[in-house]
Amino acid sequence: NAGVTQTPKFQVLKTGQSMTLQCAQDMNHEYMSWYRQDPGMGLRLIHYSVGAGITDQGEVPNGYNVSRSTTEDFPLRLLSAAPSQTSVYFCASSVGQNQETQYFGPGTRLLVL
Amino acid sequence: RKEVEQDPGPFNVPEGATVAFNCTYSNSASQSFFWYRQDCRKEPKLLMSVYSSGNEDGRFTAQLNRASQYISLLIRDSKLSDSATYLCVAPQGGKLIFGQGTELSVKP
Repeated sequence: NAGVTQTPKFQVLKTGQSMTLQCAQDMNHEYMSWYRQDPGMGLRLIHYSVGAGITDQGEVPNGYNVSRSTTEDFPLRLLSAAPSQTSVYFCASSVGQNQETQYFGPGTRLLVL
Repeated sequence: RKEVEQDPGPFNVPEGATVAFNCTYSNSASQSFFWYRQDCRKEPKLLMSVYSSGNEDGRFTAQLNRASQYISLLIRDSKLSDSATYLCVAPQGGKLIFGQGTELSVKP
């Protein structure tokens, strides 16, 4: 199993550009989440999904969209990038209701100029 | 008050030392808690869970105090390889709320 994979690893955007951060897992996990991590802020939940076709907002959803058309994939879209979205983005998946077994991807480092 | 709050750190300790981190949480309905470890520029990984009174795994002990709404992580006989950031996590409404993390640096 590859676990949770994320692409790209690094990305530089200009203000106003849009892009999609990819996340995929091959563990057949129902729960998937997107977090952003900023210095001194810990991980903050952006959006999450409890299964294919179902998504919900987390703490900091503004400026981001998600969709979950398959169990495996959970892409995060930045609609119009802003410098405040410069961060490290982590995707995670977990087994059913057991939130403790969260498996994280390696992260995407995003810089918005 | 933040939902999950940790000691600010960083903690700089010599090898072999015992070090303890505290974490307070605001949601009294939370039933279980977790400690994750995050190495520099890497993804977080589950270190241990904390249910009811506590949990022990080798040199690591996690304890829960529901009355005061805090959990702690104790590391005995610190190793250089324990250097990392330790994240306290509490579930809330089906989501995980992370603390800001406490950095530990173990020196020779």
